[in-house]
Amino acid sequence: EVQLLESGGGLAQPGGSLRLSCAASGFTFSNFAVSWVRQAPGKGLEWVSTISGSGGSTYYADSVKGRFTISRDNSKDTLHLQVNSLRAEDTAIYYCARPRHFDLGYFDSWGQGALVTVSS
Amino acid sequence: EILLTQSPGTLSLSPGERATLSCRASQSVTGSYLAWYQQKPGQAPRFLINGASNRATGIPDRFSGSGSGTDFTLTISRLEPEDFAVYYCQQYGSSLTFGGGTKVEIK
Repeated sequence: EVQLLESGGGLAQPGGSLRLSCAASGFTFSNFAVSWVRQAPGKGLEWVSTISGSGGSTYYADSVKGRFTISRDNSKDTLHLQVNSLRAEDTAIYYCARPRHFDLGYFDSWGQGALVTVSS
Repeated sequence: EILLTQSPGTLSLSPGERATLSCRASQSVTGSYLAWYQQKPGQAPRFLINGASNRATGIPDRFSGSGSGTDFTLTISRLEPEDFAVYYCQQYGSSLTFGGGTKVEIK
């Protein structure tokens, strides 16, 4: 069974930083791209970033480009998202998800999410 | 960027009724690469359908997807109590984008 478990969420000040992590299990992690999708309180889903299985390709939404960095450690089956220069509008639940078909494909598995709150 | 517009915003129905949810794209979705998800309060989204009409493993056959080009539909043939939730469409033919969601609530 595919499992994705996020950690690292919390409260950060505007302009601050956080590092989110996602521990994967139940599949051969290095064979799959993985992504971050976020959901602001009471709002819809927004794709944030994806990294290919090898880590050689990364993709970002325009809203986070230059501020967020996605990375992975295939030796530890772990995905990371370094979030810098945080803004109030970055407040959201951040889900780790596994895309299929393409690196930028549909998501067949989701974690339970990590809440990031940006507030002074 | 392909924009997805879901309608209606809210659908009020009774258990046993048929639900028809629409997802309209601002331009044609390549390959009908359109997925649907269900989300209940406090839970992560659940994958339902990919490729516009292919049900995910374990999804009941009362859920069906159809459409191509710019117009897609998710149909729930007979609503069960556990089907009341928010539904999102997502296209993955050109980068990827989500629709704003349709809430199916109990009438």
